[in-house]
Amino acid sequence: QKEVEQNSGPLSVPEGAIASLNCTYSDRGSQSFFWYRQYSGKSPELIMFIYSNGDKEDGRFTAQLNKASQYVSLLIRDSQPSDSATYLCAVNGDFGNEKLTFGTGTRLTIIP
Amino acid sequence: DGGITQSPKYLFRKEGQNVTLSCEQNLNHDAMYWYRQDPGQGLRLIYYSQIVNDFQKGDIAEGYSVSREKKESFPLTVTSAQKNPTAFYLCASSPLGRGGQPQHFGDGTRLSIL
Repeated sequence: QKEVEQNSGPLSVPEGAIASLNCTYSDRGSQSFFWYRQYSGKSPELIMFIYSNGDKEDGRFTAQLNKASQYVSLLIRDSQPSDSATYLCAVNGDFGNEKLTFGTGTRLTIIP
Repeated sequence: DGGITQSPKYLFRKEGQNVTLSCEQNLNHDAMYWYRQDPGQGLRLIYYSQIVNDFQKGDIAEGYSVSREKKESFPLTVTSAQKNPTAFYLCASSPLGRGGQPQHFGDGTRLSIL
């Protein structure tokens, strides 16, 4: 059974600081890694995704992969109150398999 | 605008009743998925389909059924056999491609028992 683990939080970060969210995964063969943001009562929204070949930066968001330790991170720079949400990590398993395994999410609160 | 449309937004089920949740996409995606989310929980996969007229069970398929007669549509039926149906149901779609593709979600349907 593939597992994706996240600290449920809440994680509180001052406005303007860097928020760091982590996710560990059990399947060493995982190839693709996704971060979703979910506001309370809403559906998940894709923020970023990376493949096993490298990290990615998009505006204030950076996704980093540590394959040796089997964890993926999401960094949010210059945190804004609108970043307050639950962040879900999802991992694709077998190569070519489109199924994703989701973590239970980390609740992030940005303190003004 | 391309997207995924789920309806209804809220649904109430009586004891012994089957109810069907609609999911339509105009993104031309081959793959479609149904997830269930309970409060404070992650998403659990109910069923998925990668091609018309074919679908596979996910991790919690018992008490649910699906069909995929058209590429654009993937309705989910919650049967009376599902004894705890109260949850937030999410439909997603993605293209097919090697290495995994991002899934995009509809706005969801909240199902409750009367």
